[in-house]
Amino acid sequence: SQELEQSPQSLIVQEGKNLTINCTSSKTLYGLYWYKQKYGEGLIFLMMLQKGGEEKSHEKITAKLDEKKQQSSLHITASQPSHAGIYLCGAAGQGLGYSTLTFGKGTMLLVSP
Amino acid sequence: EAGVAQSPRYKIIEKRQSVAFWCNPISGHATLYWYQQILGQGPKLLIQFQNNGVVDDSQLPKDRFSAERLKGVDSTLKIQPAKLEDSAVYLCASSRQGRNSPLHFGNGTRLTVT
Repeated sequence: SQELEQSPQSLIVQEGKNLTINCTSSKTLYGLYWYKQKYGEGLIFLMMLQKGGEEKSHEKITAKLDEKKQQSSLHITASQPSHAGIYLCGAAGQGLGYSTLTFGKGTMLLVSP
Repeated sequence: EAGVAQSPRYKIIEKRQSVAFWCNPISGHATLYWYQQILGQGPKLLIQFQNNGVVDDSQLPKDRFSAERLKGVDSTLKIQPAKLEDSAVYLCASSRQGRNSPLHFGNGTRLTVT
């Protein structure tokens, strides 16, 4: 079965600083999803990556999938308190006609003023 | 569009009791998922429906958990009898048919078993 390891497990950054979260897969990634979760709430979809080398951005968040398709990174530029939460990566299964996802354990982000 | 609706938001029961969770997916979404998220961990898939048929229930503890999706819309997840280790957030998600459709999650039901 596929396993996703996220690093770091948690981090605290000062408002305005940049940060990066990594997601490493035990197998080739055929679709990698990034979600954000606030305590007590559901997961909010951020971005999906499929192709090796692909990069997507939304506002101040950029996600990349490496060429070998076994690692993805999420980069936040000029962090704000609204970026605080748990970031989860999810991998889609190979050859399936639907988006069944296996998730990592998440990275908890705190942004200090 | 309206999001995925779940109820109740919170539930506290004693071990060996039964409990049921309800989910209403986004209109038009053929695929419905139930995930279990234990504190400090990522969500784990329990069961997946395509319309009203089960496509994956390999991680569902079938001796105590059951789920159904009547008419291919709403779904219920039941636990009977509950154990202490069932304390978790139960998340429902839905997606359009097709491989690259993102999952949309509800706010979940937080279950505490005492």
